[in-house]
Amino acid sequence: NFMLTQPHSVSESPGKTVTISCTRSSGSIANNYVQWYQQRPGSSPTTVIYEDNQRPSGVPDRFSGSIDGSSNSASLTISGLKTEDEADYYCQSYDSSSYVFGTGTKVTVL
Amino acid sequence: EVQLVESGGGLVQPGGSLRLSCAGSGFTFSTYGMNWVRQAPGKGLEWVSYISSTATTMYYADSVKGRFTIFRDDAKNSLYLQMNSLRAEDTALYYCARQVFFDNDYWGQGTLVTVSS
Repeated sequence: NFMLTQPHSVSESPGKTVTISCTRSSGSIANNYVQWYQQRPGSSPTTVIYEDNQRPSGVPDRFSGSIDGSSNSASLTISGLKTEDEADYYCQSYDSSSYVFGTGTKVTVL
Repeated sequence: EVQLVESGGGLVQPGGSLRLSCAGSGFTFSTYGMNWVRQAPGKGLEWVSYISSTATTMYYADSVKGRFTIFRDDAKNSLYLQMNSLRAEDTALYYCARQVFFDNDYWGQGTLVTVSS
């Protein structure tokens, strides 16, 4: 099995941009799609990015995803930060017989 | 409207058993793979188990393999998780989630399992 490691927390002011990394410990990040989930306090997770860089309907285009094979990592970028973006964010991927969630990143909007 | 409603959680002693249920509505339940995902208090998400739409493929996290069994009853639009030999570290909020390709696009509100003497 592999692990997905994220920074514990990031903070930024409203209107700014934050980028959250998700590094895969083994196996190529490019071989299996990465999803990103947002979880606000007291709520169930919701998808903000699926299949590396696709946004579900209803998710603003301030959210974007990307993959970097050289660092074997995925990234979630939130631009034009809003107070409503304050939440925990988890990346998720898989291999042949298991699914793995990242360690989670708390985004604080100062 | 797609809805997933979990039930069956509660307080159980170490070594005990519990069966969780997840009732789906608003979609054709039999055509979707389903997952159980848990979240210990104050902790992150942990994938637990997956079952394919045809129930021919099941996967388990190493932490629950041999103790938990996932199954489904499409006639009842329901997903289940049979949990045996429960341990304190199984204490968590258990979510069921619908899978579309590799994305969990709908989640329930969760049911809380507490393993304690």
